[in-house]
Amino acid sequence: GNSVTQMEGPVTLSEEAFLTINCTYTATGYPSLFWYVQYPGEGLQLLLKATKADDKGSNKGFEATYRKETTSFHLEKGSVQVSDSAVYFCALGPKTTDSWGKLQFGAGTQVVVTP
Amino acid sequence: DTGVSQNPRHKITKRGQNVTFRCDPISEHNRLYWYRQTLGQGPEFLTYFQNEAQLEKSRLLSDRFSAERPKGSFSTLEIQRTEQGDSAMYLCASSLAYQRGSETQYFGPGTRLLVL
Repeated sequence: GNSVTQMEGPVTLSEEAFLTINCTYTATGYPSLFWYVQYPGEGLQLLLKATKADDKGSNKGFEATYRKETTSFHLEKGSVQVSDSAVYFCALGPKTTDSWGKLQFGAGTQVVVTP
Repeated sequence: DTGVSQNPRHKITKRGQNVTFRCDPISEHNRLYWYRQTLGQGPEFLTYFQNEAQLEKSRLLSDRFSAERPKGSFSTLEIQRTEQGDSAMYLCASSLAYQRGSETQYFGPGTRLLVL
């Protein structure tokens, strides 16, 4: 069945460092891919998404590229801020040919950015 | 756009009691999902509504769980005879899907349940 694997945390970085969170998936066809972020005490927020191979999602300085050949959707940010401290979830969504679909989440990666 | 709201935000109950949670989706969103999130894990799908019809239920949704969306707007999730293993964050999400592959789910803040 479908599955999502993301790197374990916590990931601790200094402000202005480069961030990468690895995410790989197992699925048939072309699922949609998402990154959600959960700030302390808040709900899940959509960070970015991609719906087909080679699509690049981007938002708030974060980017992720849908790589079909490596079944990956790694999240990157060139210069993190303390306010980026949160838990990041990679999620697998429905195929673009499906009319609906549940999201299947990875376990989450906690990111801690220190001043 | 007021976002997805959930009530209550926190619930503490004793084992064996019944609890009910409410979710108000974003206005005009036709799809509504319930997920459960335990500590240190990602959310897991529980059930899904298209308008008022419940179209899919996870195996995680035992007979003690029931969900409704009577008028295709708000939804309730009831847990009967709660067990300590039911302690988790219960998340609601809604979406407006008007074409294949266009769906984006928007999440509420969740209801945190603690069963003593």
